[in-house]
Amino acid sequence: QITLKESGPTVVKPTQTLTLTCIFSGFSLTTSGVGVGWIRQPPGKALEWLALIYWDDDKRYSPSLKTRLTVTWDTSKNEVALTMTNMDPVDTATYYCAHTHSNGDAFDMWGQGTRVTVSS
Amino acid sequence: QSALTQPASVSGSPGQSITISCTGTSSDIGDYNYVSWYQQHPGKAPKLIIYQVSSRPSGISIRFSGSKSGNTASLTISGLQAEDEADYYCSSFRSSNSVIFGGGTKLTVL
Repeated sequence: QITLKESGPTVVKPTQTLTLTCIFSGFSLTTSGVGVGWIRQPPGKALEWLALIYWDDDKRYSPSLKTRLTVTWDTSKNEVALTMTNMDPVDTATYYCAHTHSNGDAFDMWGQGTRVTVSS
Repeated sequence: QSALTQPASVSGSPGQSITISCTGTSSDIGDYNYVSWYQQHPGKAPKLIIYQVSSRPSGISIRFSGSKSGNTASLTISGLQAEDEADYYCSSFRSSNSVIFGGGTKLTVL
C-alpha cells in the first residue's frame, strides 16, 4: 500500500526559505519509472505543479518557479524534500506530494497535504 | 506558464451525462497523449481518475471516460451520481518538460 505524508512548518515569514519533506512508503524511488512530485493549491484556487524527481535523479521544475525550487531525495531514507526560497504571501497554499510511475506523469497516489501560510 | 483552459462550472441531473473540456496548445495536449484528470472533493486530496488520455486506474468507475481531439481533451461522466459532485482538474505533459494543470471545473449535481 502506497502512502505519502508531507511535513514542514505551518507558518513562514516573507523572504524565508521553506523546506517540506515527503515521507513515503509502499514503493521504492529506486524502481525504474517511479517519481515523486510536488503540487500546491492556494486556498480556493487551482492546482499548480511545482516539481518532480524521478528514480534516476532526473529533476524537473515549473518554468515559472524554477529559480526558487530545489527537489532532493535522501537515498538512505524514503524521503523527498522540496525547498522554496524567498517565500511570499502569494505562496500560501496546501502543498501536496504525490507518486507517479510510468503513466505519463499522472499522480496516482497523493499525500494528505500540508498547509503553509506565509505571513509576517 | 498559462494553465490549461477548463469551464469554471458544469452541472447535470442524476443519471445524465456531462462533459468537461480542457483546452491546451500544440506544446502540451496537442502533442502528447499524457493527459490526466483528477477529482477533488472539498478538503480532500485530488484523486486520479483518468491517465494517458483515456486509461482508468484500478477501481475507477467505467462511468468516467476520457478522450482527446487536437488541442482539447475531454472528460465525460455518464450516469451522474450525487457523489460525483466535486472539482475536476485536467493536466498534461508540456514540451518544457513540465506538467501543467487546468484551472479546474466545479461539477454540480442538481
